Amino acid sequence: EAQVTQNPRYLITVTGKKLTVTCSQNMNHEYMSWYRQDPGLGLRQIYYSMNVEVTDKGDVPEGYKVSRKEKRNFPLILESPSPNQTSLYFCASSFLGTGVNEQFFGPGTRLTVL
Amino acid sequence: GNSVTQMEGPVTLSEEAFLTINCTYTATGYPSLFWYVQYPGEGLQLLLKATKADDKGSNKGFEATYRKETTSFHLEKGSVQVSDSAVYFCALSDEAGAQKLVFGQGTRLTINP
Repeated sequence: EAQVTQNPRYLITVTGKKLTVTCSQNMNHEYMSWYRQDPGLGLRQIYYSMNVEVTDKGDVPEGYKVSRKEKRNFPLILESPSPNQTSLYFCASSFLGTGVNEQFFGPGTRLTVL
Repeated sequence: GNSVTQMEGPVTLSEEAFLTINCTYTATGYPSLFWYVQYPGEGLQLLLKATKADDKGSNKGFEATYRKETTSFHLEKGSVQVSDSAVYFCALSDEAGAQKLVFGQGTRLTINP
């Protein structure tokens, strides 16, 4: 089954404790992206990647890191989480090519930073 | 920069009612427009899209028409069902990076039997 998976689905942590949220897709997509969803703000892009070893900042990258060592994986790293990073996080992927291609979203990771 | 504005929610309707969720956008150039749906506890799924002016996207009884003159992409359905209860997001593609999506704030829809 074609899908985007994220782990963990739920995470409660404390300020300053490094964490990683994993994202994996099995569709051989070149493009992968991370969004955060906050009430009243919709989804905002954190980082994206056009291919292996190619990453770039989105609209709200502060406090986050990413890596793209393999095509299928795109982990989101919070080196020193703070309470303002409490949010619902979504990973998405799509093909690159002519036109705008459908993005497939993971099920989300709800993060609480105390 | 590009932006999307949706009608404020939540929206509550009775089954078989007519649905409209308003969406307007601000963009340079000619973005593609999308409606995504998020069912409880799940990620977003593409509901429909339109890539140029006057295109109509449709899926599962939902429709939306790309209106360049009014910069709008309103979502409509003639007869809603309880299973349509979800959060709906209007979005546009950012032409600078064609895959990037700019989302509205989302509209929560609840359909009562």
